[in-house]
Amino acid sequence: GAGVSQSPSNKVTEKGKDVELRCDPISGHTALYWYRQSLGQGLEFLIYFQGNSAPDKSGLPSDRFSAERTGGSVSTLTIQRTQQEDSAVYLCASSSLREQYFGPGTRLTVT
Amino acid sequence: QKEVEQDPGPLSVPEGAIVSLNCTYSNSAFQYFMWYRQYSRKGPELLMYTYSSGNKEDGRFTAQVDKSSKYISLFIRDSQPSDSATYLCAMSGGAQKLVFGQGTRLTINP
Repeated sequence: GAGVSQSPSNKVTEKGKDVELRCDPISGHTALYWYRQSLGQGLEFLIYFQGNSAPDKSGLPSDRFSAERTGGSVSTLTIQRTQQEDSAVYLCASSSLREQYFGPGTRLTVT
Repeated sequence: QKEVEQDPGPLSVPEGAIVSLNCTYSNSAFQYFMWYRQYSRKGPELLMYTYSSGNKEDGRFTAQVDKSSKYISLFIRDSQPSDSATYLCAMSGGAQKLVFGQGTRLTINP
């Protein structure tokens, strides 16, 4: 079946611009996660959505980062006023139980 | 000290060798343990998932968990060049965020 999909696959933006990254989870998965993968930092948790519960935002690095999940399915991660240190691969994962399945990621480069 | 420690390698072995990859952790609340394989410029792919101490086998892969020592391992038998990738251990205390190791970069030489 279809896996987790993310768009765009690559994004180059200028410092100070806003970006939106999209995630389509596996159909029927109630939980959705965003992670960031960068050199030297490994894979870091950002935010977690579970059904209709309030999201766990404990991993968001600053208030420039936000995310929403509409209709319990598609999610958008927004980064406002991008900085060079935001350059990384942003990965989305979904799960129905414990195992998390990842998408291919969005490679963000801030120039 | 990081919650999860994993030797980043790189690790290079000949084809056919048995590979051993390991992680240690400090948080005794971790109950669920996963191994992911990540090829260059791809997302992590779930290889193994365990939630109890002991061994779990799937084909050429065996995952081992020792909760008393806070130590997990992944063994790859009859390694193939196609196994060349970065291997990430990950763990959680429940249906929540995963905490990852740094990843071990593995190369299998033909």
